Amino acid sequence: DAGVTQSPTHLIKTRGQHVTLRCSPISGHKSVSWYQQVLGQGPQFIFQYYEKEERGRGNFPDRFSARQFPNYSSELNVNALLLGDSALYLCASSTGTSGRGTDTQYFGPGTRLTVL
Amino acid sequence: GESVGLHLPTLSVQEGDNSIINCAYSNSASDYFIWYKQESGKGPQFIIDIRSNMDKRQGQRVTVLLNKTVKHLSLQIAATQPGDSAVYFCAENFGNEKLTFGTGTRLTIIP
Repeated sequence: DAGVTQSPTHLIKTRGQHVTLRCSPISGHKSVSWYQQVLGQGPQFIFQYYEKEERGRGNFPDRFSARQFPNYSSELNVNALLLGDSALYLCASSTGTSGRGTDTQYFGPGTRLTVL
Repeated sequence: GESVGLHLPTLSVQEGDNSIINCAYSNSASDYFIWYKQESGKGPQFIIDIRSNMDKRQGQRVTVLLNKTVKHLSLQIAATQPGDSAVYFCAENFGNEKLTFGTGTRLTIIP
């Protein structure tokens, strides 16, 4: 079975631009979470969606937004890019059925965003 | 505030020896802990998890120990192989859909 897929693999943008990152969860998974991983650090939680509804949001500015589609795929949007947004953006999927966050989250390969 | 930390940022182990990676957490309300392995250029790969009502859980060549008294988590890898070289993260969850990761430990296997 295919795992979590993300596109694009790499992306280069300039300051002030916006970017859209895409994620397809594992088949049968209804929950998608987004994480930002700055080089040398652990992933930081950005958003979690379940059945198209936002279930959780991390400490990120409003420039970051996301949505989930009826087929459970998801997009992460970042507006007005800053140099500090350069990072690996990870998507993780889970069944989401526990309702308590104890479902195993499986990660995709990530999208490497570079902001110049 | 809540945090997940690691005692050592790097660990070098002889091939064939056992590896032990440690992790401390501060939120006594955490009820789910996960170890991930991240190889260069890849996303984190699930290794093993443990619920707070357990002290020990074993997988293939890996064992996770949870000591709730001192809020300590460890990952033991038996008979380490070159393919075990990676950064290992522990993560915690306290029922709110958000995983909190530590900064990671880089494991290097010496041939």
